[in-house]
Amino acid sequence: RKEVEQDPGPFNVPEGATVAFNCTYSNSASQSFFWYRQDCRKEPKLLMSVYSSGNEDGRFTAQLNRASQYISLLIRDSKLSDSATYLCVVNRKDSNYQLIWGAGTKLIIKP
Amino acid sequence: EAQVTQNPRYLITVTGKKLTVTCSQNMNHEYMSWYRQDPGLGLRQIYYSMNVEVTDKGDVPEGYKVSRKEKRNFPLILESPSPNQTSLYFCASSLSGGNYEQYFGPGTRLTVT
Repeated sequence: RKEVEQDPGPFNVPEGATVAFNCTYSNSASQSFFWYRQDCRKEPKLLMSVYSSGNEDGRFTAQLNRASQYISLLIRDSKLSDSATYLCVVNRKDSNYQLIWGAGTKLIIKP
Repeated sequence: EAQVTQNPRYLITVTGKKLTVTCSQNMNHEYMSWYRQDPGLGLRQIYYSMNVEVTDKGDVPEGYKVSRKEKRNFPLILESPSPNQTSLYFCASSLSGGNYEQYFGPGTRLTVT
């Protein structure tokens, strides 16, 4: 089993729709959780950190479920510019220095 | 402008010919790391460095070397490249460790024939 698992997609979604991604992780001791965005052939960039209480940034909402060991990302009112690959990232158990990256979920927003 | 730079951006080489990919950051970050990205596998960490003269292996260190003689620079060295090292390589830096936002360089696409 991979340490961090994501549905590879692609998710083909019409503009304006709401789309949700889930990501599961295997290390129950992980403490830090992130969503990064990666455009085609470009470097990853931080989209948002994920906090225990959940957090929201405009159209984006991130949730953490420790009991079930998954994190989620919700995008509301999707835009064409949201088309990208979304990477789930979790810190390695007992390490503040190593991150484990999911393989990413590709999102395609269609007009 | 705060940034991480990598050079070269594209490199085609032959098996066994030593090469170095440079990485430099201007944000005074303590933590730097190297990743490779392959289709379906996500980013895998090669080496990381918590500070000057302190480096440690990531998940896939075989065939790679690094050094951290200065805070801003973290070169990746392939002493004898092989075709299975064909990949997209990213250098990243952060203030201090994985709990902080990772800033990535633009990537180096390496092909070893």
